[in-house]
This record gives sequence, C-alpha cells and structure tokens, in this order.
Amino acid sequence: ETGVTQSPTHLIKTRGQQVTLRCSSQSGHNTVSWYQQALGQGPQFIFQYYREEENGRGNFPPRFSGLQFPNYSSELNVNALELDDSALYLCASSPFLEDSYNEQFFGPGTRLTVL
Amino acid sequence: AQRVTQPEKLLSVFKGAPVELKCNYSYSGSPELFWYVQYSRQRLQLLLRHISRESIKGFTADLNKGETSFHLKKPFAQEEDSAMYYCALSDYGQNFVFGPGTRLSVLP
Repeated sequence: ETGVTQSPTHLIKTRGQQVTLRCSSQSGHNTVSWYQQALGQGPQFIFQYYREEENGRGNFPPRFSGLQFPNYSSELNVNALELDDSALYLCASSPFLEDSYNEQFFGPGTRLTVL
Repeated sequence: AQRVTQPEKLLSVFKGAPVELKCNYSYSGSPELFWYVQYSRQRLQLLLRHISRESIKGFTADLNKGETSFHLKKPFAQEEDSAMYYCALSDYGQNFVFGPGTRLSVLP
C-alpha cells in the first residue's frame, strides 16, 4: 500500500507569483485535505476535496484554490503569493464514509518559501 | 468560532513520571476530538480519537464536555514518547481545527 506523497519537497517563489503543489492520496482513499502549517504553529485547514468536489473550506482567501482528479490525486494552487504564504503545506488523505470519521494519513509536506 | 487551545508549548517530564497534555476547545455543537502526534523526522499521525475510547501506546484521553477539555494522559512516560502533540477537532469530517501543539520531552 502506497502512502501519501507530495511534490515538490521544497519550493522557492517570489511575491506575486503563482504556485501549484501536488498530492497523491493513499491507495483506496477518495478524500484529500490540505493544510498550511506556519513555523511553530499547528496545521491550519485550507480545504477538503471529496470525489472531485470541494467538501469543506477553512478561513483562506479565494486565491487558494484546489482540484481533485478522477484518480483522487489533488493540486493546491495559490495565486498572487504573499510573504505570509511561506509555510509547510500538508496534504492528508482518508477514506470517506458517511456518518463517521476516518483517520487522515498525512504526507511529508511541501516547504514553500516566498521571497 | 471553533478553536483549540493547548496552553503548554513545551512540557518536560522525567521517564516514569505521569504526563498530562492539556487541550481545551470551543465549539457550538458536538465535535469529534483527536490527538495527533509527530515524532522526530516522521509524518503527522493519528494517536487516538475520542469516539473509539481506546488506549494507544498507554495514552488515554477523556472528553469532558462540561469543561470543554480533551486532555491526553499517560501514567508512566517513556523516552520514546518525546514528540510534538496536536489536539484537533472536527465537525463531521468536513472542517478540522488543530491546536498549536505541545512539545513533550521525556528526560532519562
């Protein structure tokens, strides 16, 4: 069974640029969630995708957007990068069952630095 | 608004001593509560969830709705318990809120 993978590992961008981060979910999982983790803080929920549709969203502006593909892999896109977007971006996948919560399996993260 | 607080950034205990990591939350409904752990150079992983009422690696956590708390406890800490611990809540699996985390250091 393959775990959650994320690419790239590290990324450096400049303010105003756009970035795309990628995540491959664990085999058999159809739900993907994205988190932003700033240094010294806990993960902040960005949004969740279930069966290619957004299924929940945290307090992030619209310039944070996402996609989920038929194979359940996912992308996180951030437009008009700001310095405060510098963080570790985590992806987590889980099987989704109605009326129950399933464990999230986290990827290793992508470290984004905005200069 | 949903919120999770963990008052201690760092908690140091000696091996064999009891440990309690505090977690308080604010939520208007009936949340699902979890503890996640991140060991050095490893990924964030689920430690336990309140709905399963199980003990994992000797850790337990009781949901106290009156005090809106979900403290993590272990009677005898081990050195391998040293890690970063995050308390988190979820509303029906669609929105997740993590606390800022507590770094547990178990001294020999």
